[in-house]
Formats: sequence, structure tokens, C-alpha cells
Amino acid sequence: QVQLQQWGAGLLKPSETLSLTCAVYGGSFSGYHWSWIRQPPGKGLEWIGEINHSGSTNYNPSLKSRVTVSVDTSKNQFSLKLSSVTAADTAVYFCARVGSSYYSSGMDVWGQGTTVTVSS
Amino acid sequence: QSVLTQPPSVSGAPGQRVTISCTGSSSNIGAAYGTHWYQHLLGTAPKLLIYGNDNRPSGVPDRFSGSKSGTSASLAITGLQAEDEADYYCQSYDSSLSSWVFGGGTKLTVL
Repeated sequence: QVQLQQWGAGLLKPSETLSLTCAVYGGSFSGYHWSWIRQPPGKGLEWIGEINHSGSTNYNPSLKSRVTVSVDTSKNQFSLKLSSVTAADTAVYFCARVGSSYYSSGMDVWGQGTTVTVSS
Repeated sequence: QSVLTQPPSVSGAPGQRVTISCTGSSSNIGAAYGTHWYQHLLGTAPKLLIYGNDNRPSGVPDRFSGSKSGTSASLAITGLQAEDEADYYCQSYDSSLSSWVFGGGTKLTVL
């Protein structure tokens, strides 16, 4: 059974770079896309970006200028960097797997979530 | 303003049936991309309930069902139970944005 475990710094100051990593256990890393999603306090889910095992990326246009998603296939891990954070980036961040059929699969496996707070 | 529009809240008594709508456009739900539904309880990870418009992952009760018509999709929950009280989100891919998009979420209250 595939499991995702994520970690990273939970408290940042404005203008710093958010950095999170998600490790994939118990399943194949190739053949899937791996996504990051966030939920600000009191708001809905927002997709941030994704990567596949070969390093091909796709980003939310509203965040594209500040987001980098990377992959380390030797460790079955993928990472998120979000630069120049502000209080508006305070959220719970999730990593997730996009199912093998991509458009018709949904995100079928999720990490446990990491609370990130941006405050001076 | 979400690309996919959901009602902010719905409610129903135990045992009743409720539906949650998700309205999109020709570049997302109305295209060939599937609509997916998630159940989200505060403090936990979202759970995939329905994928590809009307398919249930293994382990999801058949009380949950999905449908799609034109540029809209719906999630139906029958035999409402107290444990169904949660936030529900629809999701699709948007070809104009080249991006996954979520609805704003619907809070289900079991009366």
C-alpha cells in the first residue's frame, strides 16, 4: 500500500523560501504525477504544482513565478519550494499522487499535511 | 473566486439524500476530463470519494455516487450518516489554465 510522508519547516518569516519534501513508500514512483496542494485557514483547496518521475513539471499559473517542484528518483521523493513567502502563504500543505490515468483518476493517495505559518 | 462553483453549504437529516453540485465550463468539466470528488475532515488529508465522474475507489460505500451532465457534475449521498459531516470538494483539469482546479468546497451538516 502506497504511503506518502511529508516534512519541512513549519514557521517562516516573510520573504523566506518555503521548502517541503514528500517521500513515497510502498509503491511505484514512475508512471505517476506527484502534486502539491494547500489549504489556507478557512479557505478551500488550491493546487500548487506537480511533477512526474522524469522531471516534467506543471504549475498553477497564479503561483508559477515563485514555485519550483523537483524530484529525486533515487530516493522516491519530490519537493516543493515556494519563494518570497508572505502571510498569504500560511496554509496546510499536502502532497498527493495523481492516479495512473491522470485526467480521469483523481488524487488517490495523500500525505498527512504540514502546517506552514508565515509570520514576522 | 473558484473556477468550479459549489454551494457553500448543504444539510440533511440522518437517512436522507443530499446532492452537491459543481458547475464548471467547456474547458474543464465540459471537456473530456473527469470530475473528481473529495471528502475532507478538518485536520486530516482529503479522501478521494469519486473519480472519473462516477467511479468509486475501493472501500468507498455505495451511498456515495457521482454524475456529470454537460458542464456540471454532482455528488449524491444517500442514507445520510453523522459521520458524513465534512467538507466536500470537486476537482477537474482545466485546459485553458493547463492546471488542476478545485471547487470552493461545500460544508455538509447532518442535522
